[in-house]
Amino acid sequence: DAGVIQSPRHEVTEMGQEVTLRCKPISGHDYLFWYRQTMMRGLELLIYFNNNVPIDDSGMPEDRFSAKMPNASFSTLKIQPSEPRDSAVYFCASSSRGDTQYFGPGTRLTVL
Amino acid sequence: GDSVTQMEGPVTLSEEAFLTINCTYTATGYPSLFWYVQYPGEGLQLLLKATKADDKGSNKGFEATYRKETTSFHLEKGSVQVSDSAVYFCALRDAGSARQLTFGSGTQLTVLP
Repeated sequence: DAGVIQSPRHEVTEMGQEVTLRCKPISGHDYLFWYRQTMMRGLELLIYFNNNVPIDDSGMPEDRFSAKMPNASFSTLKIQPSEPRDSAVYFCASSSRGDTQYFGPGTRLTVL
Repeated sequence: GDSVTQMEGPVTLSEEAFLTINCTYTATGYPSLFWYVQYPGEGLQLLLKATKADDKGSNKGFEATYRKETTSFHLEKGSVQVSDSAVYFCALRDAGSARQLTFGSGTQLTVLP
């Protein structure tokens, strides 16, 4: 089975630009999670969805961040406008019935 | 709120040494406990888990026992290999309806040949 797929794997952009990160969860999974990983703050949960509906977005840092899940097989995390402090590795994870989470390989974002 | 405290790294061991990475937690109720491993440049992979007190999770020679009395879930391996070099994360999932994981800060392990 294919695991969680994320794209792009690496993204380098300039401050002020819009960035869109993409995630395809494992087929049949009904939960999807977005995390951010930095050296300073470790792993932080940004938002999670159940059956395509956002359940908890309290970890989204500010209004510049938004996430959508238009269908069961696709989710996006958008940053507009991006800032250097958004540089991090962003992970998507999915699970079935909220059990074990399976992580994607991550997107390494660098904002110059 | 829920929290996970992990032993600070980095940890450097010689091949075939015994490994312990300490993990303690604070949570209401009876959480599920997990160890994830992250190899360089990759996402997190589930290593093992335990869902109730006294359960022992095991995988690839690693073990951890859910100790409710000490609120701990220490990771152990009897003989580490160079290929075990990675970052190890302890995590919990609250027993309530929320499905998010709370992670520890991670422990970097380096195994030298």
